[in-house]
Amino acid sequence: DGGITQSPKYLFRKEGQNVTLSCEQNLNHDAMYWYRQDPGQGLRLIYYSQIVNDFQKGDIAEGYSVSREKKESFPLTVTSAQKNPTAFYLCASTSAAGVFYGYTFGSGTRLTVV
Amino acid sequence: DQQVKQNSPSLSVQEGRISILNCDYTNSMFDYFLWYKKYPAEGPTFLISISSIKDKNEDGRFTVFLNKSAKHLSLHIVPSQPGDSAVYFCAASPWAGNNRKLIWGLGTSLAVNP
Repeated sequence: DGGITQSPKYLFRKEGQNVTLSCEQNLNHDAMYWYRQDPGQGLRLIYYSQIVNDFQKGDIAEGYSVSREKKESFPLTVTSAQKNPTAFYLCASTSAAGVFYGYTFGSGTRLTVV
Repeated sequence: DQQVKQNSPSLSVQEGRISILNCDYTNSMFDYFLWYKKYPAEGPTFLISISSIKDKNEDGRFTVFLNKSAKHLSLHIVPSQPGDSAVYFCAASPWAGNNRKLIWGLGTSLAVNP
């Protein structure tokens, strides 16, 4: 079955540590996105990538980094510079051409700083 | 500035009645609109969409209405069921070639009471 896999489901991080959230898709989608969800704040865009080896900052990119070395993979690193990293993180993908049917989302990663 | 607004953070309806969720937008360049449903600790799932060339799209119990002159769309759920209890996000896409960046509302939490 095609889809997006985010791992891990739950992640705990100590203050000052970097952590990497995984996002893999087998939908042959060109574009991938990372969102953060906080209570009452909807979905806020962190980074997005429309092709391999290229990505753009979203609305809240500070303290985060990404890479897009393969079409299928778009990992997100939450660095120690991110002041308030505890949140629910969502990865999404879509085709970059043809009819647009919206995004397919992964099931999310809950990151908690301890 | 919020380009897609869902002014009701929450809505409560009785099972079997109609649920109406509203969404307003400010950017006249938006030409494609989507509704997503999200359960806690899960990724959003696509529900229904509408193109700006239409004013109504129906899929089973779900109907989306678009009023372009008022820059307003609404999602109707008839009849509402307890399993419909979730957060509903409205999203819009501007026509920008292959740029598939969605602009999201903050969501409306729907509670359907048995």
